[in-house]
Amino acid sequence: GENVEQHPSTLSVQEGDSAVIKCTYSDSASNYFPWYKQELGKRPQLIIDIRSNVGEKKDQRIAVTLNKTAKHFSLHITETQPEDSAVYFCAESRDDKIIFGKGTRLHILP
Amino acid sequence: DVKVTQSSRYLVKRTGEKVFLECVQDMDHENMFWYRQDPGLGLRLIYFSYDVKMKEKGDIPEGYSVSREKKERFSLILESASTNQTSMYLCASSTTGGRNQPQHFGDGTRLSIL
Repeated sequence: GENVEQHPSTLSVQEGDSAVIKCTYSDSASNYFPWYKQELGKRPQLIIDIRSNVGEKKDQRIAVTLNKTAKHFSLHITETQPEDSAVYFCAESRDDKIIFGKGTRLHILP
Repeated sequence: DVKVTQSSRYLVKRTGEKVFLECVQDMDHENMFWYRQDPGLGLRLIYFSYDVKMKEKGDIPEGYSVSREKKERFSLILESASTNQTSMYLCASSTTGGRNQPQHFGDGTRLSIL
């Protein structure tokens, strides 16, 4: 069925290094792409989003890029810190509902 | 700040029981959603609603129903609970138009069916 492909499912990076999570989608009509962070035992929370009329958006250490031609978008976290350890979900908005990827568990190693 | 409140954090029920999960939001949001979250499967949409008394099936509606009698409240109903419905259930809300609007989540209800 229709879904959002998210990779990798698990990612371990050394504290201070960068982390990149990638997602692909299939519907060219999708025009909104949010990213959610879910810490252990907590609710998913929006950390950044991007709309189809821009190619990149940045908020401090977090950035998202969107390639509409290739139908993929990525989350970049620079200078990772222990509090970045969490599960990250990408999503696309299509047909008045949001479709989520399966998530990436990010481990920040000391 | 948006607050989405789910009535229970943990719930244990027996096979065959009728189970109600309640969700209330305080921001006058038009849209409300129910997801279930299972390891490795991400967030899967069960049902959603864009207005009072309206409901739409999501990707996995089988075995569930919903009720939205008031704008602030969206209930998920397991008609006859089964063990494969053991999961984390998340409620979310958003303002007008599911498209292009971020969703705000509740803390979740971890439901165990014995």
